[in-house]
Amino acid sequence: EAQVTQNPRYLITVTGKKLTVTCSQNMNHEYMSWYRQDPGLGLRQIYYSMNVEVTDKGDVPEGYKVSRKEKRNFPLILESPSPNQTSLYFCASSATSGATDTQYFGPGTRLTVL
Amino acid sequence: AQKVTQAQTEISVVEKEDVTLDCVYETRDTTYYLFWYKQPPSGELVFLIRRNSFDEQNEISGRYSWNFQKSTSSFNFTITASQVVDSAVYFCALSDPLRGYQKVTFGTGTKLQVIP
Repeated sequence: EAQVTQNPRYLITVTGKKLTVTCSQNMNHEYMSWYRQDPGLGLRQIYYSMNVEVTDKGDVPEGYKVSRKEKRNFPLILESPSPNQTSLYFCASSATSGATDTQYFGPGTRLTVL
Repeated sequence: AQKVTQAQTEISVVEKEDVTLDCVYETRDTTYYLFWYKQPPSGELVFLIRRNSFDEQNEISGRYSWNFQKSTSSFNFTITASQVVDSAVYFCALSDPLRGYQKVTFGTGTKLQVIP
């Protein structure tokens, strides 16, 4: 079954404690992205990756890092989380940027930073 | 800078009515992609459509249809004969040609409530 998995699904942490949200896809997709969703602000892209070792900033990259060492994985790293990073996070993947390609989303990770 | 405006924050319709969700975008690029996504109350995100700026043909998929008008920078989404299962937040988005159209800007979403 084609899927994007994220872990953990829920996380409560404290300011400054480094954390990683994992994202993995089983479809051999080249393109992957991270988004955050906040009430009233909609969805905003954090980082995206076009392939292994190719990543770039979205609209809100501050405070986040990513890596793409393998095609299937695209972890999101918060080196020193702050309360303003409390949000709902989604990972997504797609095969190409073509008009016919479906984009798949993970189930979301709800992060609370105290 | 890219911008996507979904002026309708919330819409309520009675089941079986048709409803159109508006999306207006701003971009300086001549090529770009437009998207619609659905987020039902359960919270997951569902990709609905991706449309290339060169293709202005309307798209129909079952009860869903999309009207792309480059002249007015709009990419509106119509649900025909709405159903309760259509209740969700719908997001419109735009991507620019930088980095293979992977940089995406979203609108703030339109919450649709279909009343039985």
